[in-house]
Amino acid sequence: DTGVSQNPRHKITKRGQNVTFRCDPISEHNRLYWYRQTLGQGPEFLTYFQNEAQLEKSRLLSDRFSAERPKGSFSTLEIQRTEQGDSAMYLCASSLGWGAHGYTFGSGTRLTVV
Amino acid sequence: AQKITQTQPGMFVQEKEAVTLDCTYDTSDQSYGLFWYKQPSSGEMIFLIYQGSYDEQNATEGRYSLNFQKARKSANLVISASQLGDSAMYFCAMREGQTSYDKVIFGPGTSLSVIP
Repeated sequence: DTGVSQNPRHKITKRGQNVTFRCDPISEHNRLYWYRQTLGQGPEFLTYFQNEAQLEKSRLLSDRFSAERPKGSFSTLEIQRTEQGDSAMYLCASSLGWGAHGYTFGSGTRLTVV
Repeated sequence: AQKITQTQPGMFVQEKEAVTLDCTYDTSDQSYGLFWYKQPSSGEMIFLIYQGSYDEQNATEGRYSLNFQKARKSANLVISASQLGDSAMYFCAMREGQTSYDKVIFGPGTSLSVIP
């Protein structure tokens, strides 16, 4: 298993454009999380899936953000009508179960909105 | 309200010395979990250690140990025998409750620099 894979690693887009990121979790992990991290800050929770069900969504996730996890496998995070404030590192993580299991994070997708 | 507080924005430690990174948390739940993660300059978050609120013993993982003081709501990370590769950002994190909603929140982090 190669761990959690995120694509693309970097994305530069013009303000107002739509972008989509992909996350492939560790295959046996049923839980998948999206976080956003800005420079010098800790990751902020965005949303969480257990299998294909989106169980929680942060208020940080405006109507321009949507996430899916079809068939409980990979996940996509889409940002519509990007704004400069969306520039950040978008981190995906997966885990198996609850309790003492830490998350396994991907390397992230760095979004720059110009 | 800030749930996780890390009061040390930056720390320096001499190689081979021990260092303690502070973390305090705020929760009204009786059941919760505490985590520490490391983020090197490469950017990937690495899980280090976990402490459950009902665990009686402090967690240890190799050179990492968690000094858990429940009454003070603190969960400090102790790194023994620091190595140059320990230079990184360190994040304290917490999962509240025992629900199926598995949300972990992170603190602002502490930057650790190990000096040769």
